[in-house]
Formats: sequence, C-alpha cells, structure tokens
Amino acid sequence: KNQVEQSPQSLIILEGKNCTLQCNYTVSPFSNLRWYKQDTGRGPVSLTIMTFSENTKSNGRYTATLDADTKQSSLHITASQLSDSASYICVVSAIKDEGTYKYIFGTGTRLKVLA
Amino acid sequence: DGGITQSPKYLFRKEGQNVTLSCEQNLNHDAMYWYRQDPGQGLRLIYYSQIVNDFQKGDIAEGYSVSREKKESFPLTVTSAQKNPTAFYLCASSPENYGYTFGSGTRLTVV
Repeated sequence: KNQVEQSPQSLIILEGKNCTLQCNYTVSPFSNLRWYKQDTGRGPVSLTIMTFSENTKSNGRYTATLDADTKQSSLHITASQLSDSASYICVVSAIKDEGTYKYIFGTGTRLKVLA
Repeated sequence: DGGITQSPKYLFRKEGQNVTLSCEQNLNHDAMYWYRQDPGQGLRLIYYSQIVNDFQKGDIAEGYSVSREKKESFPLTVTSAQKNPTAFYLCASSPENYGYTFGSGTRLTVV
C-alpha cells in the first residue's frame, strides 16, 4: 500500500535553532518527492522537489535530502525564524499503470518556533 | 501574475443546502484537483480532472460533484448528501507530474 509517514507530528523549537523533519514512504513506483510549507489557513506552497537521482536540494534555509534506497527524506531548517511556524507536508508521486501520476500526502509536521 | 484562485475564503452552509466552491487558474495547467483537509489528517482527494470535460472520482467523492467546462475553472459542489462537510477545501492545478500549485483554500462550516 502506498503510504507516506511523517515525524514528528509536532515540534516546538526556539528561534535561531535548527531542526530536521522526517518523511518515510512506501510508494512504488516512485517518481518524485516534494516538500510543502502550509501556513495556517492557507494553501501549501512548494519548497523543494526531488527526483530519484537527487540526494540533496536546497531552497534558502531549507535543505531536503532523499535516500531512494531506504525510502526516506528529511527537511532540515537552519537558523529557524518565527515565520517558519507552519505545517510541513511531504508528498510523494507514484507512476500509475496507465502512465499517469498519483500523489500521496503525508499528514504533516506542525512546527512552532518560539521567540 | 499566474496563479490559482479559490473563493470564497469562508463559507457557511445550512443543513440540507448545496454550496459551490470556486476554483480558477490562469497557469494553463491541464490537471486540476480538489482536496479536503481535516485536522490531523493528510489531504484527501475528492475529484480530479486531467482535461476539459472529463473528471474522475478521488478517494472521497461521495456527496460532492464537479464540472470542467473550461480549462481554467473547476468548481466543486458540496451537496446535501455530504454528511460531514465542515473542512478546509484546497484546489490545486498541475502540469504533468511537476507537483501542484495550490489555491489559498476555502473553509466550509455547517451552521
């Protein structure tokens, strides 16, 4: 069964600290993996997208890693800011038999950054 | 600027009433999607459309209906058959397998 699991479910850190969010998936056949940031009451916004051959991708203070062998991804946030408080959602794309794509969403990690 | 617009931002529905959520995009994306988001749960797919005049049921289509008469528009109707419609609804569009662009969402509440 295609699944995407994220951990931790929630996280509280102090401003300026680093943190790492985890995403494990059992999606097959894998196409790509994307991390989204969702502010409360808003739609998700894409942070990074990674294909099978990519190990690391950065977007400012956000760095995503992908290990396709162990089917794990992480999102590392450096020098956190109050504006990083949001939910972070991992989405994995799978290729369907007819050549189309299916997107499987994780339940997200809710991050709270405190001053 | 290209983007995807959902309206209204907040919507209140009485028992037994149908309501329609609007979703418009000017990104020239072929595919459009409707998701429902409940607290503590991942996004669940309601309906999707990969081309004009065609749409497919997602995982939780019961009690919902859609149309795709234009490439730019993919409205979602929440019917009275949907027994628990209170949720945050997200519309998204995508070119082929490059991930989504999401709208800002509509929060629907039953009163």
